[in-house]
This record gives sequence, structure tokens and C-alpha cells, in this order.
Amino acid sequence: ETGVTQTPRHLVMGMTNKKSLKCEQHLGHNAMYWYKQSAKKPLELMFVYNFKEQTENNSVPSRFSPECPNSSHLFLHLHTLQPEDSALYLCASSQLRGATEAFFGQGTRLTVV
Amino acid sequence: TQLLEQSPQFLSIQEGENLTVYCNSSSVFSSLQWYRQEPGEGPVLLVTVVTGGEVKKLKRLTFQFGDARKDSSLHITAAQPGDTGLYLCAGDGQKAGNMLTFGGGTRLMVKP
Repeated sequence: ETGVTQTPRHLVMGMTNKKSLKCEQHLGHNAMYWYKQSAKKPLELMFVYNFKEQTENNSVPSRFSPECPNSSHLFLHLHTLQPEDSALYLCASSQLRGATEAFFGQGTRLTVV
Repeated sequence: TQLLEQSPQFLSIQEGENLTVYCNSSSVFSSLQWYRQEPGEGPVLLVTVVTGGEVKKLKRLTFQFGDARKDSSLHITAAQPGDTGLYLCAGDGQKAGNMLTFGGGTRLMVKP
């Protein structure tokens, strides 16, 4: 398998549930990212991990908890979400040299009910 | 905050027409990228421009980076239905670290 793979592709969860999104990259990159894409809003950067260390938390609520066990895997743990958290959650990876060229996964379409 | 504004937000044209999409900012970027996103998929990188005034061509797509590295344009010649999608520009800014600022996107529909 190549590129950036995200699972699940679709997720419906209740406000009291706990779920996790998974991302895996097979590109040998050393940086990974979580983005949120909502209708009528630009792509929002949530978290950045460089060499599996978190370097950016873009004022994201604590109900979103990232985890990066190694440079190839990234998780986003979700708990007690709100309906307004429904969105497409995109994972991306890049190299840490030159221009930041992001390679995206297909995303997880999350619906909070 | 480094903002990137894209125009137009929506564009619907007939197959064979030409079009230009714009990406503007008041900030200087070290590089700028264009992505295309289709429904249900993640954005796919089309091109990266780095030097002020740079022009890059990708088949029928022509990308230009402004001389001051604050703006960019994407021109499509003889558009085809396969060009339909959301076009996003993203700037690699001056902040420390590797963080992209994305524009709001231009949603293009090319009708056969």
C-alpha cells in the first residue's frame, strides 16, 4: 500500500462516545498533520508532529487528543464531541526540508449525533 | 494571521472555455502550492511555486507566483469535465515550522 491511508472513511458517533481515527503514511515522511475541513470554511490545521513530537496545537479543544507513536502513524482520539465537530478530518504527511508539500489521506467523514 | 483569499468562490463553465482562479494575500510566503480536491477525497498536490514571478505549466494548467510572493494565479486552457473539483491554494508562511495556510477554495464545475 502506498501514500497516506486513513480509517475509518466514515464515522457516526454519539456525543458520549469515544472513538479514534487512524492515519498511516508509507512515504517515509517525518512530519504528520491533522486538518479539519468544514463546509464554508478553509482547511484548518489542528496538530503538527515533527519526528513524532508535537510542535503545534492550534487551539484545539481537549476533546480532541492526538497521538503519534512513530513517524508513520498518527491517531486522533475523540471523546464527548459536539454536533459542530462534524466535518471531514484529513491527515497529511510531508518531508521536513524545502517547501512543505503535504500529501493527504482520503479523510474520515465524521458525523456527531 | 496570514490569510489567503481565493476568487471566485464558485465557477461554472462549459467545456472548452478558459478560466483563471486567483489566490491573494497581504503576507509574503516562502512558497505556494495548488491542490485539487474531488468529492469524498483528500486534496492532491498539483504544483509548488517558490520564486517570485515563477511560471509553471502542467499540461493545460498554468500557475504563476506573483513577483512579491504574495499572490498566485491558476489558468486553465480549454477546460474539460475532468477538471471539475475544488481548487485550493496554500502558502508556506514565515512562521517557524512547517505549517500551511489554506485559502477557502474555488469550486469549479465544467459542463460537457
